[in-house]
Amino acid sequence: DTEVTQTPKHLVMGMTNKKSLKCEQHMGHRAMYWYKQKAKKPPELMFVYSYEKLSINESVPSRFSPECPNSSLLNLHLHALQPEDSALYLCASSQDLLALTRGSYEQYFGPGTRLTVT
Amino acid sequence: KQEVTQIPAALSVPEGENLVLNCSFTDSAIYNLQWFRQDPGKGLTSLLLIQSSQREQTSGRLNASLDKSSGRSTLYIAASQPGDSATYLCAVRQGGKLIFGQGTELSVKP
Repeated sequence: DTEVTQTPKHLVMGMTNKKSLKCEQHMGHRAMYWYKQKAKKPPELMFVYSYEKLSINESVPSRFSPECPNSSLLNLHLHALQPEDSALYLCASSQDLLALTRGSYEQYFGPGTRLTVT
Repeated sequence: KQEVTQIPAALSVPEGENLVLNCSFTDSAIYNLQWFRQDPGKGLTSLLLIQSSQREQTSGRLNASLDKSSGRSTLYIAASQPGDSATYLCAVRQGGKLIFGQGTELSVKP
């Protein structure tokens, strides 16, 4: 099973709302990632968790707050977003973040959450 | 700073053609290179991953090569089909990050 699931598929929220995106994997992966993708652009890395600890924050505004409650689950909490935050939010996972084993870097992506901020 | 470039940005071919997508990167200190496919509005599907010590990988009609010293990778698609129409992204792994190219939008006409 190489599946990463994301919920919801679509989300429309106002600028004063608080919402959360959820990502789940059951491959035993210990690294999980959040990306943001605008139309016709490649994904941009936002956050990386390794062994449930935040390893990389790409200077993302504080209105995006990640959380990794356990090794299978990754959340992205959203608050006071702006219309320019509308995008496809992708979650990914990989076996590990470090060069411990061959093939440990292959990233598997979920289907994404299409977010519209009104 | 690593920069990844994909050429061409868009490609339209008739069904049955063999085609090559190009990816170049500026810093050869990479762990691996991964090719992805993305259908409109969907997530990324991993096609092939080449470790930095490897020269090529094959999966079905797809063959990817890597020349780390010259900073290049190619994705070869044999006997293209309309179902291959999608955006193809290459990404290099440096440290804990994937750095993506802008993608090649492929259209295969029946």
